[in-house]
Amino acid sequence: DIQMTQSPSSLSASVGDRLTITCQASQDISHFLNWYQQKPGEAPKLLIDDASNLQTGVPSRFSGSGFGTDFTFTISSLHPEDFATYYCQQYDDLPYTFGQGTKLDVK
Amino acid sequence: EVQLAESGGGLVQPGGSLRLPCAASGFTFSSYAMSWVRQAPGKGLEWVSSISASGGNTYYADSVKGRFTISRDNSKNTLFLQMKSLRVEDTARYYCAKGGFYDSSRLYNWGQGTLVTVSS
Repeated sequence: DIQMTQSPSSLSASVGDRLTITCQASQDISHFLNWYQQKPGEAPKLLIDDASNLQTGVPSRFSGSGFGTDFTFTISSLHPEDFATYYCQQYDDLPYTFGQGTKLDVK
Repeated sequence: EVQLAESGGGLVQPGGSLRLPCAASGFTFSSYAMSWVRQAPGKGLEWVSSISASGGNTYYADSVKGRFTISRDNSKNTLFLQMKSLRVEDTARYYCAKGGFYDSSRLYNWGQGTLVTVSS
């Protein structure tokens, strides 16, 4: 199975901060990577697919990049509604696997 | 608007069985792959199983292979997860999720989930 390692596992930040999360795959997954956001008590929401393709309706402050084994997810300027847990997920091969998540809370 | 509504969760003893339905609406159900993803309390996401739009192809995580069966009834717009030989470690919230036309590589829409607790 392909292992996905996210870092950091948790992060404290303030409104307006720039945030970057990294996700590393245990093998080359090309650009086959999604990013999801999950708020407490809610289902996950797909934000980005193909490593960098923003889903319709997702604010442009969110972005993703990377290829191969190393990927980044960035929020350019944190809004209050962005405090949540973020997961990467590879779909290069079954079983689809998720990172362990990055919990973002208020500093 | 896409809506997915899971049900059927509850408390079950180890070794027991449960069947989880997921009622879908707001899209042409028979055209999309579907999946189940679970989340143990306080933990991360784990892909469980996927099924093609026609139902002809199914895929499972090793942790559930041979114990869980995914199926769908396209005439009733419903996805199912039959769970047998349940273990304590299967305790989780189970989400159904809508994939794309060809596969469930991207999970575009999710239900609110149903909680399954396996305990004696």
